[in-house]
Amino acid sequence: GESVGLHLPTLSVQEGDNSIINCAYSNSASDYFIWYKQESGKGPQFIIDIRSNMDKRQGQRVTVLLNKTVKHLSLQIAATQPGDSAVYFCAEEGGGATNKLIFGTGTLLAVQP
Amino acid sequence: KAGVTQTPRYLIKTRGQQVTLSCSPISGHRSVSWYQQTPGQGLQFLFEYFSETQRNKGNFPGRFSGRQFSNSRSEMNVSTLELGDSALYLCASSIDLAGTEAFFGQGTRLTVV
Repeated sequence: GESVGLHLPTLSVQEGDNSIINCAYSNSASDYFIWYKQESGKGPQFIIDIRSNMDKRQGQRVTVLLNKTVKHLSLQIAATQPGDSAVYFCAEEGGGATNKLIFGTGTLLAVQP
Repeated sequence: KAGVTQTPRYLIKTRGQQVTLSCSPISGHRSVSWYQQTPGQGLQFLFEYFSETQRNKGNFPGRFSGRQFSNSRSEMNVSTLELGDSALYLCASSIDLAGTEAFFGQGTRLTVV
């Protein structure tokens, strides 16, 4: 049968505002998490990562928060710019000797000038 | 430092044909993983190679195979192509196994007609 495309949640923000993108992960044993940004026609670009022994990590204009109790990740982007417009994916690594990543469905961030 | 290089960038193949995609990881990276990205299924793990050995395999039919060479370059092969194999195939490289940043290439866009 015909496959139905994934419905991407969309977050629309004004330029200069802060953005918060949320993600629920699936495996309580996952011990490493990454946020990726994917622009149209390009591969996913690494943004920031966090290990399960941390609950917060900051980068340049970005912060990742990890709540293991409810298996929730969030990505905060400060002073959002038009160049931040893209699809954002969270990914979890399930532990053990593997780099296998399990990706979320993604969130489309649309920045309005 | 060069990033992950995937060739070719675009391919059009006919049903029933086979195809080989190539990935050159970042210099010094020993782990290569492959993912399939489609609008219907999102990003799905295909397989992972480390030191020429397949470490992990996703839930794909046997028509999908891969290998890694001694210089860490990797190829994946899809035989007896089906229309549903049309996708963006992405390669990611990591310096080591587990808990290390995974960097993606631009992908190979495969269209099966």
